Amino acid sequence: GAVVSQHPSRVICKSGTSVKIECRSLDFQATTMFWYRQFPKKSLMLMATSNEGSKATYEQGVEKDKFLINHASLTLSTLTVTSAHPEDSSFYICSATSGLAGGNEQFFGPGTRLTVL
Amino acid sequence: AQTVTQSQPEMSVQEAETVTLSCTYDTSESDYYLFWYKQPPSRQMILVIRQEAYKQQNATENRFSVNFQKAAKSFSLKISDSQLGDAAMYFCAYPGTYKYIFGTGTRLKVLA
Repeated sequence: GAVVSQHPSRVICKSGTSVKIECRSLDFQATTMFWYRQFPKKSLMLMATSNEGSKATYEQGVEKDKFLINHASLTLSTLTVTSAHPEDSSFYICSATSGLAGGNEQFFGPGTRLTVL
Repeated sequence: AQTVTQSQPEMSVQEAETVTLSCTYDTSESDYYLFWYKQPPSRQMILVIRQEAYKQQNATENRFSVNFQKAAKSFSLKISDSQLGDAAMYFCAYPGTYKYIFGTGTRLKVLA
């Protein structure tokens, strides 16, 4: 149980275009979803936290208008990178928690590699 | 402030040997969890082991065990009988009130 999927796994786009990444909890209802960014050989950097039906809470330094997060249902959250530029190229990981697992355990998706040309 | 520190950027271990990865943390809470995650080359984050702070007994999961010392705020991971598949980044994580606090990670290399 507790499977989280992400789509797409890889995406290549041109500079100036927008890209949407989906994160789904497949077998549980996710009260909270998280979006991380990870640079090579570095730890996960939290970008934002989203709760179903409410606005996302962004971490300091993360541009809200560039990284649009929508958590429309208890099983789906989306991250849209607007007007992407090469510096947005990175590995993006989502996670979800049901609030029921001990320690608010987060279940992670497999990640999406974004390359902006 | 809640913090997690992993002081070993990289470790190496011979296959079949034992290795210990260190993690220290800081919190003012008395009841909490701690996690170790593995991130192999596929980059999928995999929960290796969890420890509940109120439990004095160290958690074990097959070849993985922890040495949890609450007073010292230390949470090290011991991998016994290391296998090639254990090669990965390992992250220690403290689940704060609203978000995880991750350590910087330790890259484990397993030598054949």
